[in-house]
Amino acid sequence: GNSVTQMEGPVTLSEEAFLTINCTYTATGYPSLFWYVQYPGEGLQLLLKATKADDKGSNKGFEATYRKETTSFHLEKGSVQVSDSAVYFCALSDQYTGNQFYFGTGTSLTVIP
Amino acid sequence: ETGVTQTPRHLVMGMTNKKSLKCEQHLGHNAMYWYKQSAKKPLELMFVYNFKEQTENNSVPSRFSPECPNSSHLFLHLHTLQPEDSALYLCASSQGQRKDNEQFFGPGTRLTVL
Repeated sequence: GNSVTQMEGPVTLSEEAFLTINCTYTATGYPSLFWYVQYPGEGLQLLLKATKADDKGSNKGFEATYRKETTSFHLEKGSVQVSDSAVYFCALSDQYTGNQFYFGTGTSLTVIP
Repeated sequence: ETGVTQTPRHLVMGMTNKKSLKCEQHLGHNAMYWYKQSAKKPLELMFVYNFKEQTENNSVPSRFSPECPNSSHLFLHLHTLQPEDSALYLCASSQGQRKDNEQFFGPGTRLTVL
């Protein structure tokens, strides 16, 4: 079956630190992979996505590369800001259940000045 | 209005009450979803509608009853809920069934069952 595993949080970093949030997946087919972000009091917003192996998604300084050999889609940012404080969710969808997304448990990030 | 809207944003209800959550999408999408978000757990997909037809019901108790009168509106009718049903209920929409189509989320309804 399909599933997503994210690193446990919470994560606390100082401003301008390097961020990595690990995500690995299990899928029956060839999934698309996504990172969503949820700011306090809001719904989830798409941060970036990758639809095939070796694709790199990027947005707002965040990057993630679709690694089929390690079934991973780790989120990285070179220099975090206080405004990046949020909960980050890794997710997948595959061609067999195109409408159905499988989400990880979320990783809470707090960036301190 | 743009995007996906949900009302009410907060709801407190007793176990014997009947209430409804409303979701509206202004994106021209043809698929809509209800999710339950509880602390420390992955988002749980509850229901999926494609072109107003329900295509998924992930073993959701019958005290949750969805309704999709058209492609833009989705309701979740609630009755005789339990305290463990307290959670954030998120609505989402997408265009079609392609695996690379992102889902757009509303802000959620924070439900508390007393």
